[in-house]
Amino acid sequence: SQQGEEDPQALSIQEGENATMNCSYKTSINNLQWYRQNSGRGLVHLILIRSNEREKHSGRLRVTLDTSKKSSSLLITASRAADTASYFCATEGDSGYSTLTFGKGTMLLVSP
Amino acid sequence: NAGVTQTPKFQVLKTGQSMTLQCAQDMNHEYMSWYRQDPGMGLRLIHYSVGAGITDQGEVPNGYNVSRSTTEDFPLRLLSAAPSQTSVYFCASSYQGGGDGYTFGSGTRLTVV
Repeated sequence: SQQGEEDPQALSIQEGENATMNCSYKTSINNLQWYRQNSGRGLVHLILIRSNEREKHSGRLRVTLDTSKKSSSLLITASRAADTASYFCATEGDSGYSTLTFGKGTMLLVSP
Repeated sequence: NAGVTQTPKFQVLKTGQSMTLQCAQDMNHEYMSWYRQDPGMGLRLIHYSVGAGITDQGEVPNGYNVSRSTTEDFPLRLLSAAPSQTSVYFCASSYQGGGDGYTFGSGTRLTVV
């Protein structure tokens, strides 16, 4: 079953604007990860935030995690046309072996 | 480093045929997984392995078989292809615990007619 649910399903912005995507999940996690998928390509790991962290930055990416609300957000600042892609959150559970459970993704379109 | 290599990139099968999707990684990752991606469904876990000789089922294992005889290779076998198995298949690998995230292959687009 799907663990993460991204919101919105699709997002269209202009270059230079910020893009915010949200992810909600259902069960306890060890960490939450964000991936990018360009059309027809494999997934690329962007950033990982552990359950004991609240915020993490990497370049133009900022991720927050609220374990009490079981939610996370991904902020891309100063978006570029090259950021056009689908973005997925994935959770790693806190019991047993390490597997990822993915949400359905947010499709981001950044127009020049 | 080549990362995660999947072959073939495209495949068309007839219903009832069998085939093996190949996945190889050169990063000495312990964990390897197979996912399928269907439109609007995100990625769903088929099978995974935490090391050579150890495999387990994921969310959608029916109709698929795996083995892990070496650290590098994790092939996915379709036993008797069905149209419902038309999908894009991704192999992924990571170090134990996935702390650095998973590395994905570029995918195999499979059509069953």
